[in-house]
Order: sequence, then structure tokens, then C-alpha cells
Amino acid sequence: GAVVSQHPSRVICKSGTSVKIECRSLDFQATTMFWYRQFPKKSLMLMATSNEGSKATYEQGVEKDKFLINHASLTLSTLTVTSAHPEDSSFYICSAPGLVQETQYFGPGTRLLVL
Amino acid sequence: GQQVMQIPQYQHVQEGEDFTTYCNSSTTLSNIQWYKQRPGGHPVFLIQLVKSGEVKKQKRLTFQFGEAKKNSSLHITATQTTDVGTYFCAGRGSTLGRLYFGRGTQLTVWP
Repeated sequence: GAVVSQHPSRVICKSGTSVKIECRSLDFQATTMFWYRQFPKKSLMLMATSNEGSKATYEQGVEKDKFLINHASLTLSTLTVTSAHPEDSSFYICSAPGLVQETQYFGPGTRLLVL
Repeated sequence: GQQVMQIPQYQHVQEGEDFTTYCNSSTTLSNIQWYKQRPGGHPVFLIQLVKSGEVKKQKRLTFQFGEAKKNSSLHITATQTTDVGTYFCAGRGSTLGRLYFGRGTQLTVWP
């Protein structure tokens, strides 16, 4: 099946620094990718929809200046957490829609810890 | 706004017992999907239901979509330790709309 990769899988950073997370579709093209955030033992919260060649669509309450999204190509979307703070620590997961049954293929996720 | 409620939040069963998780939407859904997330892992697509009253089976797993397309259930017969994980439902309000995830049901299976 389709594979989505994420890099890095884990990152620890100091408060105030910026962190970039990459999401790649490995064997298919994705004009749209989704970025989710998941807190421990909680559900997935959609943060934004990344659109290749145009601006990302952010969900209500998500700061677009804090969570910068760039969909540079048909196989790559990046999420940059700017000026990270401890409350930004979370599990960030991207997904890309497949061709069959409107499914979504999820990346393995990135665990961010901000000290 | 659209919401998808899922119960129970946690379920502990003895291996061999059955397990069911339920999802309910405040509005009619275009379709509903089910995902499984193993501890420390990412969600993996299980199935999609589209038609009113649809029932689909995958080995010991039975998925149902309600007649009104507002609720759905996942039933596992004779659970095994490999069934451990969190099961999420996710519904769409429209065919191309975003997915709204339920909070998930965390299943623990005691050997």
C-alpha cells in the first residue's frame, strides 16, 4: 500500500527555537496532505490542510504564523513550529489521501518535546 | 459544528471475549472510516462504510453503518492480544469534506 514517511521521528529542542517536520509520500503524488496533532491518549486534531502550489488551510484556533506549512512539491509537505514553547510538545502526524476508498495514509508521526 | 462521539473511552477484556466500540455523529455522515492505532504507532486505515445500513466484515471484525448514517460500530469477536490498540472512527460530513475523528476507544486484552 501507499507509504507516507515523516522526519524526524523524534525531536527535542529548546524553548524559542524552530523545528521543521517533513512529510513525504513515497510512492504516490499527493496534492493535498493533512497535519494532525495528538495529545497523549487523545484523539487526532486536524491542524491544517496542506495544498500543493497554494496556501494551506488552517483549522479554527490554529495559529498560521506559529505553524508554518509549505507544500513544496507533489510528494513533500513541511510543518515548521516556530518559536516553540513547552505547550507545543505533542505528537504531530501527517497524512495523505489515497486513491482507493478515500482513505488516508498516515505517516509514523513526529514526537516533539520542547524544553 | 460537526462532532463525532465515540464510546467507551477504555475497554479491558479477557482474551476470547468480544469487544464493541460505538460512534455517533451529531449530523448525517457521507461516510465513516475506522482506524487502528497500536501503542506508540500511527493510525492505520481499516475500512470505509458508505451506504446506509452497510455491514462489512474483516475476519473477526464486523463494521456497521446505521440506517440514518449517523452512527457506526466496530465489533471484534473473540479478541486476541494482537487486537490491543486504540480504535478510532472518523466521519465525513460530505464526500470531499474533512474527516472528524472520534476520541477513540483504547482496547486492552488480558491473556
